[in-house]
Amino acid sequence: GENVEQHPSTLSVQEGDSAVIKCTYSDSASNYFPWYKQELGKRPQLIIDIRSNVGEKKDQRIAVTLNKTAKHFSLHITETQPEDSAVYFCAASKGSGNTGKLIFGQGTTLQVKP
Amino acid sequence: EAGVAQSPRYKIIEKRQSVAFWCNPISGHATLYWYQQILGQGPKLLIQFQNNGVVDDSQLPKDRFSAERLKGVDSTLKIQPAKLEDSAVYLCASSFYSGTGGNTIYFGEGSWLTVV
Repeated sequence: GENVEQHPSTLSVQEGDSAVIKCTYSDSASNYFPWYKQELGKRPQLIIDIRSNVGEKKDQRIAVTLNKTAKHFSLHITETQPEDSAVYFCAASKGSGNTGKLIFGQGTTLQVKP
Repeated sequence: EAGVAQSPRYKIIEKRQSVAFWCNPISGHATLYWYQQILGQGPKLLIQFQNNGVVDDSQLPKDRFSAERLKGVDSTLKIQPAKLEDSAVYLCASSFYSGTGGNTIYFGEGSWLTVV
């Protein structure tokens, strides 16, 4: 079945610096790649997603890139702020219609130091 | 728009006892998921419903876990008997098909289970 590997497990950056989190997936049929942010004790919240027909997507300070050939995708956060501190999860899904299930990575704890 | 509702938010039980969690998905979402999130790990899918039918329950420990979605809306997840390793957050999620491939999945706040 699908396997998603996420690195690094922890990341510490200074406020204003950029942060990059990388994920690899095993199933070449995967076609949907969301990123979730989870603050302590809160629900995972979707922050950005990308589908397999797109190579890059940006939303203000966050961007996601997808390399289908290499089967990896990355989250880029620029001009980090203390409120970006959280656990970030990547996920991969395949299937059409309503049948796709998300397989999650292990998570990256991001700490942004003021 | 109302989110995914779950209850109870917190539960502490002794091992071998039973517990049930309830979920009400976002209105109009045909697909409902139950995920288990152990502390420090990513969510793991336990079961996926499409309306009131099961799409995937390959990772549900069926000797002790059961789930149902009788009318295609609300769902309950039951654990009986509970083990210490069942201590986790049980996240309910729902989704709709966006029409362009892949699902946008929304999570509830989770039900925190501690088995002692």
